[in-house]
Amino acid sequence: QTVVTQEPSLTVSPGGTITLTCASSTGAVTSGYYATWLQQRPGQAPRSLIHSTNNRHSWTPARFSGSLLGDKAALTLSGVQPEDEAEYYCLLYYGDGGAQSYVFGTGTKVTVL
Amino acid sequence: QEQLVQSGAEVKKPGASVKLSCKASGHTFSNYHVHWVRQAPGQGLEWMGIINPTGDSTRYAQKLRGRVAITMDTSTSTVYMELSSLRSEDTAVYFCARELAWTFDVWGQGTVVTVSS
Repeated sequence: QTVVTQEPSLTVSPGGTITLTCASSTGAVTSGYYATWLQQRPGQAPRSLIHSTNNRHSWTPARFSGSLLGDKAALTLSGVQPEDEAEYYCLLYYGDGGAQSYVFGTGTKVTVL
Repeated sequence: QEQLVQSGAEVKKPGASVKLSCKASGHTFSNYHVHWVRQAPGQGLEWMGIINPTGDSTRYAQKLRGRVAITMDTSTSTVYMELSSLRSEDTAVYFCARELAWTFDVWGQGTVVTVSS
């Protein structure tokens, strides 16, 4: 069974920079995994921030950026705001051999202190 | 405004089935895939499955294969997710989401399913 691993928790000061990563148990994450990054606040539905590794939606603040970092997908928050405190999930697409399945990461709780 | 409106909360006994709906409001599902995702209390997100825009192709998470079925009524722009042989571990909030080219842009509000004897 495929496991996608994220840091369990990270703490950052307001105005600081933080990088979250997303690793696949199957090997290096590439652009073909079309990594999506989602933010979820308590009691709310998830909201996509980044799609296809590094593309922001129209509603995504510019302080959020996606990339590939080594063999992982990464989400960087620059100039963190108090409202960025939330749970963040990556979502990877596994399309090899026509499987077409998706796996969520384990999630990272970001605390702004 | 484009929305996904999900059906209301459900309480089921172990062994029963539940069928949830996800209706497009302000748009249709043409060109969009629809996913179902669930979240158990205090846990992370779990991808359950996907249906294509025409409703004739589905893929499911291996863990749920055989218990889950996703269907689409194109005439009413509604997608359904049925989960059978319910267990206490199926207690969760269930979300639907639309996706186009790996872009998830609209999510439903979530439906709470409680499995309890």
